[in-house]
Amino acid sequence: EDQVTQSPEALRLQEGESSSLNCSYTVSGLRGLFWYRQDPGKGPEFLFTLYSAGEEKEKERLKATLTKKESFLHITAPKPEDSATYLCAVQAYRGNTPLVFGKGTRLSVIA
Amino acid sequence: EAGVAQSPRYKIIEKRQSVAFWCNPISGHATLYWYQQILGQGPKLLIQFQNNGVVDDSQLPKDRFSAERLKGVDSTLKIQPAKLEDSAVYLCASSLARYGQPLGETQYFGPGTRLLVL
Repeated sequence: EDQVTQSPEALRLQEGESSSLNCSYTVSGLRGLFWYRQDPGKGPEFLFTLYSAGEEKEKERLKATLTKKESFLHITAPKPEDSATYLCAVQAYRGNTPLVFGKGTRLSVIA
Repeated sequence: EAGVAQSPRYKIIEKRQSVAFWCNPISGHATLYWYQQILGQGPKLLIQFQNNGVVDDSQLPKDRFSAERLKGVDSTLKIQPAKLEDSAVYLCASSLARYGQPLGETQYFGPGTRLLVL
């Protein structure tokens, strides 16, 4: 069974304090790993897709990396507007398998 | 480009009542998904359509939930009768994905419908 575990459940940072969120996964053949941002009362907003170990993608203060067992979302010098829940999801490489999501990490950035 | 549209945004009903949600995907997207997101959890797939055919409904509680996709575009999700445990956010997503495509195709989500069953 495909599984995704995200840690920590919640993270509180001071503005400018860099940190990383972790997404550990088990899947029989990875088709893709996805990072989404979800603000309160809104649907998930797409951030990145990673397909193979060693791949990295960046967007503003965010950088996502991928290994064979986990992915990290690095946040450099965060700002209060980066506060949100960050969701990780995997899709297995067999048939039309659904995305399997983790429970997310709630990030709060304090000014 | 317009995103995924959903309505209503909020719904409050009593248990045993019926409710329906509507979704309009991004234009040209072949695949449409309905997810249930319970507070504090990640989204869980209920049903996936490819055009107007069902690809995966293995996690849909078929005794009370039903869904259809009209002419391969809009979709409705219905709950009849509702239970207290159905209180959740119902998210619709769409993607360009074609069957058998090797790489995972990005799914784009709508704002969701927040359902409270009393």
